[in-house]
Amino acid sequence: DSGVTQTPKHLITATGQRVTLRCSPRSGDLSVYWYQQSLDQGLQFLIQYYNGEERAKGNILERFSAQQFPDLHSELNLSSLELGDSALYFCASSVGLALTGELFFGEGSRLTVL
Amino acid sequence: AQSVTQLDSQVPVFEEAPVELRCNYSSSVSVYLFWYVQYPNQGLQLLLKYLSGSTLVESINGFEAEFNKSQTSFHLRKPSVHISDTAEYFCAVSDTRDDKIIFGKGTRLHILP
Repeated sequence: DSGVTQTPKHLITATGQRVTLRCSPRSGDLSVYWYQQSLDQGLQFLIQYYNGEERAKGNILERFSAQQFPDLHSELNLSSLELGDSALYFCASSVGLALTGELFFGEGSRLTVL
Repeated sequence: AQSVTQLDSQVPVFEEAPVELRCNYSSSVSVYLFWYVQYPNQGLQLLLKYLSGSTLVESINGFEAEFNKSQTSFHLRKPSVHISDTAEYFCAVSDTRDDKIIFGKGTRLHILP
């Protein structure tokens, strides 16, 4: 158990809909990272927050947004869903900035768009 | 921008045989390098990392990786694999200016009995 909690574990929805994925980092971790894992693209970095502020951005679509709340949990919002958004979405956390440290991953939220 | 290439998407190997999983990176600045492992139905876990110093780094379960700056590589090796090593292995890089950690597409290690 990494200490990172992601909900929901599985989600099935239709095209055009909007979903919210939630992540609770390990106790004491200030950074939260979101990744998308798909068979063809591998593990793609989406966005990072540090202590409530956006710190780095990767290949995140404009239809997607995220935030980190004062209690340090984070939410990833996916809207106007398309079939291609079906993937496993991982949240990871680290104590500070993870350049030299370790990322702790949750078990992921599997999104299926029908 | 930095990038990571894992040349093999799948590697089959017999139990107790040696294995090498290849990783090459590109970056214009100094980097930190990582190998993560993903067991079936789990999230990723850090296996080992190179930050500085000795170019050979080891994990607690017998894996090792060698940082080769001239070849921009960080290949992962194990002299004798076990069935429990069945997993997907991800090479990752972060550069010293940036807060992003970029992962390769992963290599799935199949252990054959």
